[in-house]
Amino acid sequence: EVQVVESGGGLEQPGRSLRLSCTTSGFTFGDFGVGWFRQAPGKGLEWVGFITGGAHGGTTEYAAPVKGRFTISRDDSKSTAYLQMNSLKTDDTAVYYCAAPYSYASRSCVWGQGALVTVSS
Amino acid sequence: DIQMTQSPSSLSASVGDRVTITCRASQDIYIYLAWYQQKPGAVPKLLIYGASTLQPGVPSRFSGSGSGSDFTLTISSLQPEDVATYYCQKHGNAPHTFGQGTKLEI
Repeated sequence: EVQVVESGGGLEQPGRSLRLSCTTSGFTFGDFGVGWFRQAPGKGLEWVGFITGGAHGGTTEYAAPVKGRFTISRDDSKSTAYLQMNSLKTDDTAVYYCAAPYSYASRSCVWGQGALVTVSS
Repeated sequence: DIQMTQSPSSLSASVGDRVTITCRASQDIYIYLAWYQQKPGAVPKLLIYGASTLQPGVPSRFSGSGSGSDFTLTISSLQPEDVATYYCQKHGNAPHTFGQGTKLEI
């Protein structure tokens, strides 16, 4: 059974940094990508980005609002992906989700329970 | 970037009704489309991937169809537990944009 768990959320001030972790089990992590998403309070779902897996793993894609500020990485030895969020803005306040296995093609995947990130002074 | 437009934004239906939600892409996305269900306060749940493949464990009253730029999510017989917001999401080339959501009420 595929399991996905986010951790690392919390309260941070604008301009500061925060790192989320996405720990997985139940599949061959190195062969697949991981997607990141967020949902601001009362708003719809927003795709944040993803990192590929497999032979050409490590390619990253980002949504325009976070490009240049957020970085997705992975540690295959730990079956874990990371979302490094720098230069945080109040608009980044949201529940952040990761999902795996994830890819360019639409496929079956499992979402984590989410991690709340609050950016406020 | 490819835009994803869902319709309607909200709808109200009765138990037992057949409900259809549509999602239109501004360009051809082949079958790179997923449908999600999100109940209030809950994690989004994947219903359909590859435009028409039912995620294991999802009731068979849910079905997806379409390819190219026009897609449909159908609930064949609406149940009270289907009250939720439904989202489509494109895959393929980035960004993997979501539709704006369709709020379904009984």
